[in-house]
Amino acid sequence: AQKVTQAQTEISVVEKEDVTLDCVYETRDTTYYLFWYKQPPSGELVFLIRRNSFDEQNEISGRYSWNFQKSTSSFNFTITASQVVDSAVYFCALSEESQGGKLIFGQGTELSVKP
Amino acid sequence: DARVTQTPRHKVTEMGQEVTMRCQPILGHNTVFWYRQTMMQGLELLAYFRNRAPLDDSGMPKDRFSAEMPDATLATLKIQPSEPRDSAVYFCASGFPVQGSDVTFGSGTRLTVV
Repeated sequence: AQKVTQAQTEISVVEKEDVTLDCVYETRDTTYYLFWYKQPPSGELVFLIRRNSFDEQNEISGRYSWNFQKSTSSFNFTITASQVVDSAVYFCALSEESQGGKLIFGQGTELSVKP
Repeated sequence: DARVTQTPRHKVTEMGQEVTMRCQPILGHNTVFWYRQTMMQGLELLAYFRNRAPLDDSGMPKDRFSAEMPDATLATLKIQPSEPRDSAVYFCASGFPVQGSDVTFGSGTRLTVV
């Protein structure tokens, strides 16, 4: 069965610190997709990244980077030099081809970046 | 940028009333999802459609919730009768998830049932 675990419920850092948000997933599929979304205080869900199961290359986009490791079933998200505007709830999600592509979300990690 | 449009943004209604939430998915997307977000349960999948056909609605309370896609530009989620425990934010999303595309969410409908 598909499952996503974000063990960190809340994280608080001071501006300019680096922070890593953990995501562990469970799946029996060989073809699956992993997503990260950001939900700022305004409430919308903003797409950040999608990764397929055949591409384990790490990705960097500005201050954001993602580390996908199939060996540990993890897809962790790092924010470098955090800023107050990064304060939000971050969700990791899994989509399995065999399940018709529905997204199953983790419980989310609330990140608070203090000035 | 293409976006998923949800109406209304906010809805306050009395218990027992019918509530209809609407979603205009991104043109051309073949899959439409309905999610509900609450503090206790997080983001739960209620139902989803592929090419307008319902694929899975097992997440919905069947006795009061119904989801339809009357055409490719409109998805609806109805609650009849509404109850206070239905108070939540309801999100619609669209994409090509099996093809591994982005799944784009609407801004949500915040429903309060008093």
